[in-house]
Formats: sequence, C-alpha cells, structure tokens
Amino acid sequence: EVQLLESGGGLVQPGGSLRLSCAASGFTFSSYAMSWVRQAPGKGLEWVSAISGSGGSTYYADSVKGRFTISRDNSKNTLYLQMNSLRAEDTAVYYCAKSSAVVVAATDAHFDYWGQGTLVTVSS
Amino acid sequence: QSVLTQPPSVSAAPGQKVTISCSGSSSNIGNNYVSWYQQLPGTAPKLLIYENNKRPSGIPDRFSGSKSGTSATLGITGLQTGDEADYYCGTWDSSLSANWVFGGGTKLTVL
Repeated sequence: EVQLLESGGGLVQPGGSLRLSCAASGFTFSSYAMSWVRQAPGKGLEWVSAISGSGGSTYYADSVKGRFTISRDNSKNTLYLQMNSLRAEDTAVYYCAKSSAVVVAATDAHFDYWGQGTLVTVSS
Repeated sequence: QSVLTQPPSVSAAPGQKVTISCSGSSSNIGNNYVSWYQQLPGTAPKLLIYENNKRPSGIPDRFSGSKSGTSATLGITGLQTGDEADYYCGTWDSSLSANWVFGGGTKLTVL
C-alpha cells in the first residue's frame, strides 16, 4: 500500500525558514517523480514544485522560485521542501504527491497518490 | 487566476447527471493528458480520472472524462450525496514556465 506522510509544518514568522519532509513507502521511490502541491485556506490547489525520480531535474512555480528548494533522498525514501524567506501568502496546507511517471514533464503524468498534508502558517 | 478555467460551482439533485468543464490552451490541455481530482471536505485530493478518460481501480463508472481540443469535461451520473466535493482538473503546461497547472476547482452540491 502506497503511503505518503508529510511532516515539518508549523508556525513561522515572515522571513523565516521551514523544511518539510514526506516519507514514502509502498512503492519504488526512485522510479517516480514527486511534487509538492499547496492549498491556502479556503482556496484551490496550487502546484509548488516537482523533482524527477533521480533528483536530477527540478521545477518550481514562479511564486516560489528562488525561495524554495525541492530535493529527495532515494536511500531514505524521503522528499523534502526547504522553504526560505517565507511570506504570509505561503500559508497553506502542503501536500506531497506521487507522479505516475519517472520524469516530471511527461504528457501522460498524473498524481496517483497524495499525502494527508501538513499545515504551514506564516504569521508574526 | 488559474491557468485552467472551471466553473466555481455546479449543483444537481440526487440521481441526476452533472458535467464540469475545464478550459485551457494549446500549451496545456491541447497537447497533454488531463487528470481530475476529487477533494471531499477536510481530506486530501484523490485521483478520479487520468489520461483524459481512464478511471483508477475503485472509481465507479459513474465518473467519466473526455477531452476535445483545449477543453476537458468531467461527467458524473447517478449523483449521490457522497459526491459533494470540490473537483479539480490538472495537466502539465509545456510553455516557457514548464509547470503543472490546476483549475480553480468546482464545488459540487447535491441538492
């Protein structure tokens, strides 16, 4: 059974940093791209970042480019999101999502499994 | 402002049929497969339809998907109260931004 378990969320002041983790199990982690998707309170889904199965290719939404860094440790089956220079508008539930493909930019890719999410609140 | 456009809300009575549209462009829906996600209140999104019209194991055939040009449609027949949820379309966008895009979401109310 595929399981994705996010952790690391919490309350942080504007300008601060936070690192999210997503522990994966139930599948060959290195064979699939992974993404972070967030959802602000009462709002829709917003894709944040993605990384290929090998970790060699990364992609970011314009809203987080230069502030967030996605990475993965395939030996630990864990996905990370390092978030720096946090802003109030980064407040959201952050989900990790497993792609159906090993590369990010696959025309037939979709998110077949999602974690339960971790809440990040940026406030003074 | 989402790259993919969905109606904010739709509603229908139990047992009836509803469709949810998702409009995009040639850089996203026009050249890539569309997937649909169901988000029940207070839960994480769940894959409902992938590759335009395929259903994952466990998704009833009351749910269907289609795509034509730069638009996609989710159809739900035999509506049940348990179908009340937010529905999102999503796809890869091959423009210079090179990113995943979602629709703004559609709230389905089963009256």
